[in-house]
Amino acid sequence: KAGVTQTPRYLIKTRGQQVTLSCSPISGHRSVSWYQQTPGQGLQFLFEYFSETQRNKGNFPGRFSGRQFSNSRSEMNVSTLELGDSALYLCASTYGTEDEAFFGQGTRLTVV
Amino acid sequence: DAKTTQPTSMDCAEGRAANLPCNHSTISGNEYVYWYRQIHSQGPQYIIHGLKNNETNEMASLIITEDRKSSTLILPHATLRDTAVYYCIVRGDTGTASKLTFGTGTRLQVTL
Repeated sequence: KAGVTQTPRYLIKTRGQQVTLSCSPISGHRSVSWYQQTPGQGLQFLFEYFSETQRNKGNFPGRFSGRQFSNSRSEMNVSTLELGDSALYLCASTYGTEDEAFFGQGTRLTVV
Repeated sequence: DAKTTQPTSMDCAEGRAANLPCNHSTISGNEYVYWYRQIHSQGPQYIIHGLKNNETNEMASLIITEDRKSSTLILPHATLRDTAVYYCIVRGDTGTASKLTFGTGTRLQVTL
């Protein structure tokens, strides 16, 4: 079956703009989590959605937000982009709350 | 979730077993040990997980000490494609299933 799909794969934005990233989980998976990976900070948890509700949130400013739709697809939005937001953004899906997470290939965002 | 400690890097000859250690001395009774790996510029890939018993699947074996304070991931016959960063993660069994705390991991280099 198809894996986790993230779009777009690459993105270049200008400081001050906003961006929306998309994640389609594995069919049947209900939980979607988002992570940011940078060389300096490594992989950091952003937030998790389950059944359209945010269940967990990491330590990121309010410029980072997300949502989940009824078909479990998720989007994350970053407003007022800063240079430091340049990173690989990864999405992971799990079937339920107890299962292993499967990651997508990520969206590489570059802010110039 | 408990903190983990892993060596920064390791080398392994192709065809030999790669043994990757992980210390998790503050692990609590209901926390699982998970292993993921990340090949350059790709999303992390689930490898294996366990609670207290040793586990084996088609990718690897996981050996957990009796006191559960450390574990070892074993790749029985390493190949060049196993070159990656390996993350050992301790995860609770309720409520935080999709909120993984990644450390710095072990960079495994498999050589000819």
